[in-house]
Amino acid sequence: AQKITQTQPGMFVQEKEAVTLDCTYDTSDPSYGLFWYKQPSSGEMIFLIYQGSYDQQNATEGRYSLNFQKARKSANLVISASQLGDSAMYFCAMKNRDDKIIFGKGTRLHILP
Amino acid sequence: EPEVTQTPSHQVTQMGQEVILRCVPISNHLYFYWYRQILGQKVEFLVCFYNNEISEKAEIFDDQFSVERPDGSNFTLKIRSTKLEDSAMYFCASSQDSSYPGSPLHFGNGTRLTVT
Repeated sequence: AQKITQTQPGMFVQEKEAVTLDCTYDTSDPSYGLFWYKQPSSGEMIFLIYQGSYDQQNATEGRYSLNFQKARKSANLVISASQLGDSAMYFCAMKNRDDKIIFGKGTRLHILP
Repeated sequence: EPEVTQTPSHQVTQMGQEVILRCVPISNHLYFYWYRQILGQKVEFLVCFYNNEISEKAEIFDDQFSVERPDGSNFTLKIRSTKLEDSAMYFCASSQDSSYPGSPLHFGNGTRLTVT
């Protein structure tokens, strides 16, 4: 069965520091995709970054990078030089061959000035 | 940039009533989804719709729920005989394709459903 686990319900980080949000997954399908979404307090879901299971390099998008460790089944999100606007809920998600994407429980990130 | 739009942004209904939540997915997308999020909790998959039929659905997507794409642009979720526990934020999403490596889902801003 597919499963996404985010073990950090909440995190507090000083502005300008880097932050790593943990995500582990479980699947028996060799083909899968991993996603991170940001949900600010306004409620919308914003796509941040994607990693495919066969991708050789870690994905990067601006200040976001995905630390993909396939053998450990982890896909941690790294945000460099955090900003106050990064305060939000962050969800890790996974897609297998079927037509659904499942989400973890999320990590609430608080950036402190 | 094209976006998924959802209406209404907030819907209040009485228990036992039927509601229809509406969505306009991104025009060249092929896969359409409904998710729901009970306040502060996990984003929960409900259903995927492709090629005019349900391609995948969650266990909780029972006969109380139905989806429809009545024309070339709208995608609707109908909830019959609403219950208090149906109160949640309902998100519509679409993606260009569902094949590996897979396109990301693009979400609408959600409809907050309150059942009283």
